[in-house]
Amino acid sequence: EVQLVESGGGLVQPGGSLRVSCAASEFNFRSYWMSWVRQPPGKGLEWVANINQDGTSIFYVDSVKGRFTISRDNAKNSVYLQMNSLRAEDTAVYYCANSVAYVFHVWGQGTMVTVSS
Amino acid sequence: QSALTQPPSASGSPGQSVTISCTGTSSDIGRYDHVSWYQQQPGKAPKVVIYEVSKRPSGVPDRFSGSKSGNTASLTLSGLQADDEADYYCSSHAGSIHSVFGTGTKVTVL
Repeated sequence: EVQLVESGGGLVQPGGSLRVSCAASEFNFRSYWMSWVRQPPGKGLEWVANINQDGTSIFYVDSVKGRFTISRDNAKNSVYLQMNSLRAEDTAVYYCANSVAYVFHVWGQGTMVTVSS
Repeated sequence: QSALTQPPSASGSPGQSVTISCTGTSSDIGRYDHVSWYQQQPGKAPKVVIYEVSKRPSGVPDRFSGSKSGNTASLTLSGLQADDEADYYCSSHAGSIHSVFGTGTKVTVL
């Protein structure tokens, strides 16, 4: 079964750092763009970042530029989101998804990141 | 990078049709045909139901249809079923911005 599984979420203090991971299985991971999308509790979806197949093309939403870094390891079928200088407004469920032509086809189950003192 | 505008809620009785609008600008919906719609049931991850304005992924029933006119896209759910009750989000490519999502619409089956 095609699957994405996120991990690494948790509680972190404002200003702190956290890295979330996403492991892919049963699809040709290295052929796809990968994205992170987040959803604050009770609110809507927000695209956060994406990375192309070989990691040479990367984009971020303005609100995370300079604080978040997306990366991937095709040998491990995994994509990562390193989050630094975290703020309360970064509190959300973080989903990874593969994307083709700006369509998010397969989604993980999400991992919760809570930024609070 | 403002979110696309959707009505907060929509409803219909079983068997009826419901149409959800998604309003953007000439920089996103008006410029690109990369408009998608996602269904999110409570406690679950979103699932794509329409992409490239009107295409359905394999396994999505033809009761789901999409269209676009100018800066506004629409999703129509025909023959409403109880299982259609969910939140629906539109999404569009927006140039240097990979994707911008809509504000979301909660569909209730009466």
